Amino acid sequence: DAKTTQPNSMESNEEEPVHLPCNHSTISGTDYIHWYRQLPSQGPEYVIHGLTSNVNNRMASLAIAEDRKSSTLILHRATLRDAAVYYCILRRLVRTSYDKVIFGPGTSLSVIP
Amino acid sequence: NAGVTQTPKFRVLKTGQSMTLLCAQDMNHEYMYWYRQDPGMGLRLIHYSVGEGTTAKGEVPDGYNVSRLKKQNFLLGLESAAPSQTSVYFCASSYSKVGGDSPLHFGNGTRLTVT
Repeated sequence: DAKTTQPNSMESNEEEPVHLPCNHSTISGTDYIHWYRQLPSQGPEYVIHGLTSNVNNRMASLAIAEDRKSSTLILHRATLRDAAVYYCILRRLVRTSYDKVIFGPGTSLSVIP
Repeated sequence: NAGVTQTPKFRVLKTGQSMTLLCAQDMNHEYMYWYRQDPGMGLRLIHYSVGEGTTAKGEVPDGYNVSRLKKQNFLLGLESAAPSQTSVYFCASSYSKVGGDSPLHFGNGTRLTVT
């Protein structure tokens, strides 16, 4: 199973950009990079995903390294509501009977007012 | 559109009792997953299913069984509950036609305590 590694915790000041890194050195060519976040006492929620090119949506941006061995989730202006645990995971591109989606411990983001 | 619904939300069991957690999704998703989350830890995959009538083991399957008799439902069973199964359980589902190019949708969790 392809694995990801993330820092255990990070801090950011409110209204400043946040860059959350993820390493996935064993990524295969058929793996999508997904990001989820989990607010306290809630289920994880989808943030963004991508394959090779950088991606933007209303929540965040995803920057993917050219060799795809790492990626960065970018929150452009952190708010107190962005304090959460952020998970970076890999999912297979093709439809397959093998889709063992494994989560790591994630990065706990604290936002300082 | 309810998304992914988990029942019950809370449950307390005595050691040795059995129970079934229900996950229902109304998005016509083929892939469904059961995870457990312990304090201060990430999600660990228990079992998953890639379609009606199929199930597979995840990272921590021991002590749990699952069934996917209908596409919209994924049941997680504990035949003889143990205190080590005290946890928060999350169900997730995903559209499968495009493989990994689709997000996981999670339920709000079931908090289980085994005394």
